[in-house]
Amino acid sequence: AQSVSQHNHHVILSEAASLELGCNYSYGGTVNLFWYVQYPGQHLQLLLKYFSGDPLVKGIKGFEAEFIKSKFSFNLRKPSVQWSDTAEYFCAVNSNQAGTALIFGKGTTLSVSS
Amino acid sequence: DAMVIQNPRYQVTQFGKPVTLSCSQTLNHNVMYWYQQKSSQAPKLLFHYYDKDFNNEADTPDNFQSRRPNTSFCFLDIRSPGLGDAAMYLCATSRGTYNEQFFGPGTRLTVL
Repeated sequence: AQSVSQHNHHVILSEAASLELGCNYSYGGTVNLFWYVQYPGQHLQLLLKYFSGDPLVKGIKGFEAEFIKSKFSFNLRKPSVQWSDTAEYFCAVNSNQAGTALIFGKGTTLSVSS
Repeated sequence: DAMVIQNPRYQVTQFGKPVTLSCSQTLNHNVMYWYQQKSSQAPKLLFHYYDKDFNNEADTPDNFQSRRPNTSFCFLDIRSPGLGDAAMYLCATSRGTYNEQFFGPGTRLTVL
């Protein structure tokens, strides 16, 4: 079945620590990849996206993600997290195989302590 | 600012009492989506409109209906809410179906 897996349910870090959140998907064909963030009490916002081209994409607030096609992965990274990065992070994928549905992973809750 | 607006932000209804949730957008996007998100779960697509064309996900219960009277507005109707329908309902829009989606703040539905 088509799916998106996020490996970490809850990640706890101290400020200035480096972050990597895993995301794997199981689709064939052309995919579009997204990371969304949901800060406490706020709506889902796009962090970054990959459609084609350079597999290393940079997003807002210092986040980046790398698309590794051979591993079906799109991991999110940030070299130094801040307390304000505390939020829930969702990886999402759509593809022509999945039709128009944007399939979300279950999300990773990031808690950053100051 | 261009945005996706959902009203109300919180909705309480009784078991079996019909309820309508509203979404409007100022982005002039041609696609509008409704998602259901339960606690600690991923958003799940219920259906979407591509312009005026309605597209229902295969596993969306018949209890859920939608209307899109014009480009800017889309409604989610729950005909007979059950306790299991308590969730956050998210509206999103996009330009075309493969581009990024812009989300509203959601409506949290409580069923008593």
